[in-house]
Amino acid sequence: GAVVSQHPSRVICKSGTSVKIECRSLDFQATTMFWYRQFPKQSLMLMATSNEGSKATYEQGVEKDKFLINHASLTLSTLTVTSAHPEDSSFYICSALPRETQYFGPGTRLLVL
Amino acid sequence: GESVGLHLPTLSVQEGDNSIINCAYSNSASDYFIWYKQESGKGPQFIIDIRSNMDKRQGQRVTVLLNKTVKHLSLQIAATQPGDSAVYFCAESPLVRAQKLVFGQGTRLTINP
Repeated sequence: GAVVSQHPSRVICKSGTSVKIECRSLDFQATTMFWYRQFPKQSLMLMATSNEGSKATYEQGVEKDKFLINHASLTLSTLTVTSAHPEDSSFYICSALPRETQYFGPGTRLLVL
Repeated sequence: GESVGLHLPTLSVQEGDNSIINCAYSNSASDYFIWYKQESGKGPQFIIDIRSNMDKRQGQRVTVLLNKTVKHLSLQIAATQPGDSAVYFCAESPLVRAQKLVFGQGTRLTINP
């Protein structure tokens, strides 16, 4: 149990375009999901907490207008990177909280050219 | 972005030996601690957790030790196998339920044949 999926696994886009990443809880319902970003050889940094049916809570320094989060159902949260630039290239990972512990998705590698 | 000169602490062990990975956490109010394993290009995988009212917890081939006095957490892996090669992160949360995880910097474990 507690399986989290992400789609796509990797995406390459041109600078200025927007990219949507999906995070799904496959075998449980998740009122809360989390979005992290990880740069090479670094740890995970929490970007935002996604709450089903309400606005996401963003960490300090994360632009909410650039990283749009929608948690429209109990099994799906989406992260849209708007007007992506090369510095947004990173590994984006979501997690969900079925009980006490966060379980992570496989991650999405974003490369902005 | 990536910090210049940042490198991941590494630990190399012989296959079959025991591994001990250490983590110093920052928040004395943290109540819940988790160890995650992250293989290259994948999301973190839950290994074991421990609450602040415990000082030791054992799983299959893994043991977590918590020393709240010095804010230190360790992960012991018995009879290390090639499949244990990965980056290991400790994470802390101020709540029993793992909201708002703060991740440590990670340790790369390499298994020598």
